[in-house]
Amino acid sequence: DGGITQSPKYLFRKEGQNVTLSCEQNLNHDAMYWYRQDPGQGLRLIYYSQIVNDFQKGDIAEGYSVSREKKESFPLTVTSAQKNPTAFYLCASVTGGSGYTFGSGTRLTVV
Amino acid sequence: AQRVTQPEKLLSVFKGAPVELKCNYSYSGSPELFWYVQYSRQRLQLLLRHISRESIKGFTADLNKGETSFHLKKPFAQEEDSAMYYCALRYSGNTGKLIFGQGTTLQVKP
Repeated sequence: DGGITQSPKYLFRKEGQNVTLSCEQNLNHDAMYWYRQDPGQGLRLIYYSQIVNDFQKGDIAEGYSVSREKKESFPLTVTSAQKNPTAFYLCASVTGGSGYTFGSGTRLTVV
Repeated sequence: AQRVTQPEKLLSVFKGAPVELKCNYSYSGSPELFWYVQYSRQRLQLLLRHISRESIKGFTADLNKGETSFHLKKPFAQEEDSAMYYCALRYSGNTGKLIFGQGTTLQVKP
């Protein structure tokens, strides 16, 4: 059953703590994306990667970091530098000629 | 700069009424436009892409380059159409990044 898996579904972060959100796909898609979804602001692009070992900053990359060591995996780390991390995070993947496939999301809350 | 604007945060209609969700974009090149839908507790999924010019679940959208718009329309709304709708623009190739609008919540009342 092909698709994108995001984990965990819910994540709680303490002040000053780094947390990592997982995104795995078995669709053999080349490109992967991380978006942040806030009410009234739509989806904003955090980071993206179009090939392994390469990634680019999106519109709101500050306070986040990523890696792309394998084609299937694109984890997102929310660092302590991100001042307002409470949000819903969506991962997506795409390959040429296909539509984007989205994960089910991770809801991150600062406690 | 590339931008997608959805002017309505909430659109509320009665069942059977026509629906039009507005989307305007700014892009200097040749855009590829999409509508995505997110039903309650479900993943974001593709509804329409302007290239395919198809009708999905009774929805259609026409790209108007003169008005830089890609409005989503349905002649008769159904309760199951209630969801969040996002308009999105893609540039820089088939794996290029999507720029999303702010989203419009469609509420179809019985």
